[in-house]
Amino acid sequence: QKEVEQDPGPLSVPEGAIVSLNCTYSNSAFQYFMWYRQYSRKGPELLMYTYSSGNKEDGRFTAQVDKSSKYISLFIRDSQPSDSATYLCAMSLYNNDMRFGAGTRLTVKP
Amino acid sequence: DAGVTQSPTHLIKTRGQQVTLRCSPKSGHDTVSWYQQALGQGPQFIFQYYEEEERQRGNFPDRFSGHQFPNYSSELNVNALLLGDSALYLCASSPIRLAGGQETQYFGPGTRLLVL
Repeated sequence: QKEVEQDPGPLSVPEGAIVSLNCTYSNSAFQYFMWYRQYSRKGPELLMYTYSSGNKEDGRFTAQVDKSSKYISLFIRDSQPSDSATYLCAMSLYNNDMRFGAGTRLTVKP
Repeated sequence: DAGVTQSPTHLIKTRGQQVTLRCSPKSGHDTVSWYQQALGQGPQFIFQYYEEEERQRGNFPDRFSGHQFPNYSSELNVNALLLGDSALYLCASSPIRLAGGQETQYFGPGTRLLVL
């Protein structure tokens, strides 16, 4: 079993849809949870950063962490074609050694 | 602010050769981490440097080594290259550590290494 599981997709949605991306993990000691967006042939770009459980909202993006279920989610409201990218979840103990999911490839169609 | 920069952008080597990749952290950052991202996979942690010392290491063989300079820039060296070393190598930098603070890592564009 991988330490971080993420459905690789691909996921295709129409413009304006709500997108739900998810990851599960096995190490209950993880404290920091991140979502990165990676465009083709680029480095990952930090989208959301959460410490411990709870929700965090930033514009069209909402991150949720449920430590009891070892489950994290990223919601994208009013999705745009420019949101088309690979989304990576990441988590760590002390925010040093980040463990990444495999990434979910998202396409938002106009 | 130039952000995290890496050089070269692309590199082609043959098996058995050695390679050196370079990273300059974002201004104000003193910690540099290196990751390997194989095609279709998430990044895997190689190691982290802080105050010119390797502080933490992932599950990578000794063929992978690094260095951090007084100006916080860093190098990743890989010896005896294998075909499986072909990947995107990412550098990430973190802000200066604060007591009780949190550090978020910012990635550079990566160096794409192809081993033939």
